[in-house]
Amino acid sequence: AQLVESGGGLVQPGGSLRLSCAASGFTFSSYDMHWVRQATGKGLEWVSGIDTAGHTYYPGSVKGRFTISRENAKNSLYLQMNSLRAEDTAVYYCAREAIAVGGTYWFDPWGQGTLVTVSS
Amino acid sequence: EIVLTQSPGTLSLSPGERATLSCRASQSVSRSSLAWYQQKPGQAPRLLIYGASSRATGIPDRFSGSGSGTDFTLTISRLEPEDFAVYYCQQYGSSPRTFGQGTKVEIK
Repeated sequence: AQLVESGGGLVQPGGSLRLSCAASGFTFSSYDMHWVRQATGKGLEWVSGIDTAGHTYYPGSVKGRFTISRENAKNSLYLQMNSLRAEDTAVYYCAREAIAVGGTYWFDPWGQGTLVTVSS
Repeated sequence: EIVLTQSPGTLSLSPGERATLSCRASQSVSRSSLAWYQQKPGQAPRLLIYGASSRATGIPDRFSGSGSGTDFTLTISRLEPEDFAVYYCQQYGSSPRTFGQGTKVEIK
């Protein structure tokens, strides 16, 4: 199983960016997927999740600004980020839940991450 | 939201020594739904332990996890040079999924 993120870059405060995560080596449609971010020198923060039925989940820090989605036919996960702030600057990782059956599980594998920088 | 507090923030040890890392939850973690990850600079987190005590595939047996409820421990029995890294705990039993702030294991 492999995950490869793309779409990071420099964006101005208030701007938008769409991240992508290409999955391979497993049946993408069968797994819940997540985005986790990490500011430089800081810890890990879960920022969104989507289950196999398309239900989405967010923490309060990004709810209403970020939208997670998936396109099973393309084995792809997305994160649409709007109204970006300086504090959204981080490496963004996509991660798969470890087990396909119902329930909540740990994250494995993770992608290598893509850097988002919000600055004027 | 379950808050995870890891201690100590930094652990300074020598190769061959034993490392004991703590992760304390603000409320009980359901079904021992706790994982440990290792992260080295410039790399993605790597799964070490899930279900509080089960080692992930390919993880050496010097790594062990224990605990339940609100108190969990990651033990590295004899530190190898490649074990110096940052370690995070994560609870996945309830939403939002949360991580501890990390413990850095550095070479003394």
